[in-house]
Amino acid sequence: NAGVTQTPKFQVLKTGQSMTLQCAQDMNHEYMSWYRQDPGMGLRLIHYSVGAGITDQGEVPNGYNVSRSTTEDFPLRLLSAAPSQTSVYFCASSYSNGGYTFGSGTRLTVV
Amino acid sequence: AQKVTQAQTEISVVEKEDVTLDCVYETRDTTYYLFWYKQPPSGELVFLIRRNSFDEQNEISGRYSWNFQKSTSSFNFTITASQVVDSAVYFCALSEARNTGTASKLTFGTGTRLQVTL
Repeated sequence: NAGVTQTPKFQVLKTGQSMTLQCAQDMNHEYMSWYRQDPGMGLRLIHYSVGAGITDQGEVPNGYNVSRSTTEDFPLRLLSAAPSQTSVYFCASSYSNGGYTFGSGTRLTVV
Repeated sequence: AQKVTQAQTEISVVEKEDVTLDCVYETRDTTYYLFWYKQPPSGELVFLIRRNSFDEQNEISGRYSWNFQKSTSSFNFTITASQVVDSAVYFCALSEARNTGTASKLTFGTGTRLQVTL
């Protein structure tokens, strides 16, 4: 089924570990983005990309890296996880302002 | 900078009551889109509606209705005859509408948790 696929769904990391959250879409959307959701904070934009090879920072980029080597994939990297990065992460893609398709989320806990 | 304010953190109603969720936004863009999303306890984000800033007509979809007032920068959401299944967190969001048609950043409010009880 077409859509945005996020993996893993759940992850527990130790402080200082690194990991990559995967996001893939098969709708040929140019725009992709990563959000984190924290209680009482809504969803906040971490990084976004308007096309392959182009990325930019959002509202809360510190501690995260992204790259966009293909239209389909937009991985989010945590180089050295911190407890403050415990959150639910959502990936989204869009072909235009018409609509955004969200993944099902990744629940990350950093201990 | 864009900003979306949902002042109601939590609302509790009894089933069959009507409830209105408030959304106030700020933007310098002349054209923009407004959205509402539902997040049920299962956690996924469910798209409910998108409204273009050019279109100030109110919209009704079943028990859901939306009131867009550009003069007050508000995009309120009303659920008529609420049901237990409406219990969720509801997010209002805003994005710039570019004349190129390309997507732009989506700015979310902090959400309103709606609890509907029997």
